[in-house]
Amino acid sequence: NAGVTQTPKFRVLKTGQSMTLLCAQDMNHEYMYWYRQDPGMGLRLIHYSVGEGTTAKGEVPDGYNVSRLKKQNFLLGLESAAPSQTSVYFCASALGKKVTGQPQHFGDGTRLSIL
Amino acid sequence: QQQVKQSPQSLIVQKGGIPIINCAYENTAFDYFPWYQQFPGKGPALLIAIRPDVSEKKEGRFTISFNKSAKQFSLHIMDSQPGDSATYFCAASKSLLTGKLIFGQGTTLQVKP
Repeated sequence: NAGVTQTPKFRVLKTGQSMTLLCAQDMNHEYMYWYRQDPGMGLRLIHYSVGEGTTAKGEVPDGYNVSRLKKQNFLLGLESAAPSQTSVYFCASALGKKVTGQPQHFGDGTRLSIL
Repeated sequence: QQQVKQSPQSLIVQKGGIPIINCAYENTAFDYFPWYQQFPGKGPALLIAIRPDVSEKKEGRFTISFNKSAKQFSLHIMDSQPGDSATYFCAASKSLLTGKLIFGQGTTLQVKP
């Protein structure tokens, strides 16, 4: 039982390049989230999904796109990377089913540097 | 109104001390207040959580105190150990339909042997 797995763990990009971060969960969770973590700013929600085929914007969605074609996978895309997107990206999942107070289960992050 | 403000930014205590981390919020619609613990190179993990109808919750050496009228809550770590050295995040949630969390800025705790 792997929980939440993020791929890749590290990546260096040049400005303007594109890439996709993959998040996979094996807990049959309905809800999935993408966050970015920057020093002194906590975790900020980029996009989230409450079920297969649905996505919605979080606090800081600009410059990112997401897709949830399969329940277990949540993809985060950067179409044209900018240095301001240098960060540590975390994916999380939660059971869903409209139950309040559920824990979010996090992956171990993707460390992304944009040069 | 969506913010959760956390303090201090960093904290150093001796082994056995009781570090206290504070959080404040504005939105009275928040109804779930978790604390997450994060070790270097890892993702955050749920430590303990409380709802606003309870003033205190204990789990092992970790205690949340909740003051609804002041819109504040805090984490106390009793008999702190070097293994408790980590970054701690408070959070708040009001959305049953999405489970979205608003996180505080984080507190880096160092417990010296």
